[in-house]
Amino acid sequence: DVRLVESGGGLVQPGRSLRLSCTTSGFTFRNYAMAWVRQAPGKGLEWVGFIRSTKYGETTGYAASVNGRFTISRDDSKSIAYLQMNSLKNEDTGVYYCTRGGYGTYWGQGTLLIVSS
Amino acid sequence: DTVVTQTPLSLSVAAGQPASISCKSSQSLLHTDGKTYLYWYLQRPGQSPQLLIYEVSSRFSGVPDRFSGSGSGTDFTLKISRVEAEDVGVFFCMQGLYLPYTFGQGTKLEIK
Repeated sequence: DVRLVESGGGLVQPGRSLRLSCTTSGFTFRNYAMAWVRQAPGKGLEWVGFIRSTKYGETTGYAASVNGRFTISRDDSKSIAYLQMNSLKNEDTGVYYCTRGGYGTYWGQGTLLIVSS
Repeated sequence: DTVVTQTPLSLSVAAGQPASISCKSSQSLLHTDGKTYLYWYLQRPGQSPQLLIYEVSSRFSGVPDRFSGSGSGTDFTLKISRVEAEDVGVFFCMQGLYLPYTFGQGTKLEIK
């Protein structure tokens, strides 16, 4: 079965950094793009960004709201995708989901990030 | 960014009755490869979103056939032929052609 498990969320002060991980199993990770989507409390979904597979150069794309602050990377040997978040803001608070593929064929259960002083 | 607009934002439907949600994009989602990159998701209460429909009208694995998607260019529709209790939640459409990909605001479905 395809499985995605996010981890690394928590409470962090504004301006600090945090890295989220998405540990996967049940599929050939290196063949797929991976994406991150977030959801602020009580709000809708916001696409954060994605990373293409190695075959497509591991190129990335980001939402304007995180571009320059967030970086997505991947470790195909471990089947893990990462979301490095720098210069965190209060408005980055929410549940962060990783998804298989740029279009979210499968989703993890999410990890909660709270940015607050 | 490409703006995706869903209507209505909420829907109350009796079980067994049909339901329809509209999704409009500010740009055509037809790619030169012939595919149209419009997706539908359902987020049940307390759960992660799940993919229902990809490329306008293709049902994802395990999705009941009471869900159907249609449309072209900039205008799309998700239809549920007979609403069931398990369909309660928020439906989102997403365009996957222009970066950054963007979601509609969501349509909350409740059972009347």
